[in-house]
Amino acid sequence: AQTVTQSQPEMSVQEAETVTLSCTYDTSESDYYLFWYKQPPSRQMILVIRQEAYKQQNATENRFSVNFQKAAKSFSLKISDSQLGDAAMYFCAYRSARTGTASKLTFGTGTRLQVTL
Amino acid sequence: NAGVMQNPRHLVRRRGQEARLRCSPMKGHSHVYWYRQLPEEGLKFMVYLQKENIIDESGMPKERFSAEFPKEGPSILRIQQVVRGDSAAYFCASSPSAGWYNEQFFGPGTRLTVL
Repeated sequence: AQTVTQSQPEMSVQEAETVTLSCTYDTSESDYYLFWYKQPPSRQMILVIRQEAYKQQNATENRFSVNFQKAAKSFSLKISDSQLGDAAMYFCAYRSARTGTASKLTFGTGTRLQVTL
Repeated sequence: NAGVMQNPRHLVRRRGQEARLRCSPMKGHSHVYWYRQLPEEGLKFMVYLQKENIIDESGMPKERFSAEFPKEGPSILRIQQVVRGDSAAYFCASSPSAGWYNEQFFGPGTRLTVL
């Protein structure tokens, strides 16, 4: 079974600064997908960024980028130019790419990000 | 195009009662997933359904929990004889198909409180 670990329960960053959230995962599969979701106080889950394991290039979405290290099974999220609206819980998630398998997401326990002035 | 809708948003039940949680997927989506989020934890997969079929229920407790996604109408997650440990936020997500490239769109969740 796959597991996802987020070792930082809480992080804090000053507005306009950069912060990196860590995520490691364990799997025996070679083909899979990784995601970062944001959960603001409204508790709505919002997809921030996704990465296909077969792609060597790290995904980027505006101020959000990832550092995907497949051999190390590491998938960190970097938020540049942090804004007050970035304050939320961030969840790392894994999804198998095997044909015929269920499409469930496996989540980490989350990192609460505070953004200060 | 309306997003995934869940109702009720908040549900309070006494121990031993039944809880029914509803999920209407996005238009055109025939795949529904239910996840549970206990306080201060991440979301845990419960069940994956297509229209009229349960595809994967490996995350569902064996007793008291059931789910359905009928041909017409919303998906229902049913919890019988609720206990305090069932208090959690229950999220539904939908996608147009099962392919990895299809993002799962999440609803706002139902917060269940068992007194």
